[in-house]
Amino acid sequence: AQKITQTQPGMFVQEKEAVTLDCTYDTSDPSYGLFWYKQPSSGEMIFLIYQGSYDQQNATEGRYSLNFQKARKSANLVISASQLGDSAMYFCAMRETGNQFYFGTGTSLTVIP
Amino acid sequence: NAGVTQTPKFRVLKTGQSMTLLCAQDMNHEYMYWYRQDPGMGLRLIHYSVGEGTTAKGEVPDGYNVSRLKKQNFLLGLESAAPSQTSVYFCASSPDLYYNEQFFGPGTRLTVL
Repeated sequence: AQKITQTQPGMFVQEKEAVTLDCTYDTSDPSYGLFWYKQPSSGEMIFLIYQGSYDQQNATEGRYSLNFQKARKSANLVISASQLGDSAMYFCAMRETGNQFYFGTGTSLTVIP
Repeated sequence: NAGVTQTPKFRVLKTGQSMTLLCAQDMNHEYMYWYRQDPGMGLRLIHYSVGEGTTAKGEVPDGYNVSRLKKQNFLLGLESAAPSQTSVYFCASSPDLYYNEQFFGPGTRLTVL
C-alpha cells in the first residue's frame, strides 16, 4: 500500500484564489510527522509546513495551512491568495518513527493570471 | 553558511562504471539523507545516517552504499552503475529526528548509459 497518496497530478487555480492540494497517508505508527514541500521548475526542494501527529491545531505558515484530519488520515495543503510564483510541484511527505521518510508523487500546480 | 551542497551537479556514466556523490553540510546537523527522484514517483529514501559513523537503509537501498566518516559529509556510492539508476539525487540534513524540517541540497542529475 502507498504510504502517501496524492491523487491530483495537476491542478489549476486563478491568481488570488485559494486552492487545496490533497494528501492522504497510511501508517499504524502513533507518532508521525507530515510535511509539504514545494519544488519549482528550478528543481530545489523548499519546505513549506509541518504537522505533528499529536498537534491539536492545524499548522499555518503565512499563506499556507495544513488541514489535518487525523481520523481520515488526510493532510491537505491549503494555499490562500495564490500568486504566479506558487506555480510548482508540491509534495506531501511523512516521517514515521525510525526515521523513515515517504513522499507522495506530487501535484503540479499552475496559477493562471 | 552554504547549507547543503552536492558534488557534482551533473554526471554521465556508462553501465558498470562506479562513482561517488558527495553531500556536505555546514550546519552541524546530526541527520543526513540520500533520496532519488524519478519522474512520476516523487522522492524515495535510499539511505540515511543518524550521526557520524552510522548509516541505515531506507526504502530503496539496493545498488548503493553510503559512508559517514565525518559529521559534515555523507557519501553515496554506486559500485556498478545501471541504467535504472538514472535519476536526480537529493541530499538532505536535519538537526535531529524531531526537527520539523529537512534542508535539501540542489540535487545531482545522474545519467547512466
